[in-house]
Amino acid sequence: QKEVEQDPGPLSVPEGAIVSLNCTYSNSAFQYFMWYRQYSRKGPELLMYTYSSGNKEDGRFTAQVDKSSKYISLFIRDSQPSDSATYLCAMRDSGGGADGLTFGKGTHLIIQP
Amino acid sequence: EAGVTQSPTHLIKTRGQQATLRCSPISGHTSVYWYQQALGLGLQFLLWYDEGEERNRGNFPPRFSGRQFPNYSSELNVNALELEDSALYLCASSLVGSAETQYFGPGTRLLVL
Repeated sequence: QKEVEQDPGPLSVPEGAIVSLNCTYSNSAFQYFMWYRQYSRKGPELLMYTYSSGNKEDGRFTAQVDKSSKYISLFIRDSQPSDSATYLCAMRDSGGGADGLTFGKGTHLIIQP
Repeated sequence: EAGVTQSPTHLIKTRGQQATLRCSPISGHTSVYWYQQALGLGLQFLLWYDEGEERNRGNFPPRFSGRQFPNYSSELNVNALELEDSALYLCASSLVGSAETQYFGPGTRLLVL
C-alpha cells in the first residue's frame, strides 16, 4: 500500500461547479497537509497547508483534514478554466528537522468553459 | 521578490555520463530540497540541504549527490546516468524548520539517451 493515494483522474467538470479533490494516507505520523497546483511543464505552486485536523479557507479554496479517517480534501468553489491543472497533495510529519514531503501522484483537473 | 530559479531548463545526456543541475533559492531561505518527478511515479524526495550540510536523503542510490554553497544555492549531481533517470528534477526552498511551506522552481528536464 502506497503512503499517499490520490485518484489520477482526469476529473472534468463544467465552469462554475464545485470541485472536490481527495487524498488518503496510511502514515498516522503525518501532521502537515499541503495542496499544490501544477500547470503543464511548470513547477508545483503551493496553494495552502493545514496543520493537524480541521478546515482552512483561502478565497475559493477550502482544505479539510480528517485525521481519524486519514483523509484530506480540497474544495474549489466557482471553478474557472484557469483552475485546469494537476493538483498534488503532500504531507509530512512533525518529527525532528524538516525533511522531504510525501506526495500523491496528482489529480488532473479539467474545467470546461 | 524572485522565486526559486533552476538551470538549465533542459539537459540531454547519454547513458553513463554525469549531469549537474543548479538551483537558487528564494532570498532568505536556507533550506533547499531536491525532488525527482518521473512519468507515472509522482514527486519523489531526493535530498535536503540546510546551512551547507546534507540533512536527509530519500531512497535513491549514492550516485545522486549534491552540495549547498555558502550563498545557499545548490547543485545536484547525477553520476553514471541510466535511462530511468530521465525525469523532471525540481528544486524547492523554505525557511529553516518550515518544510510545510516549500516553494518550487520550474524544474530541469533531464533526458538520458
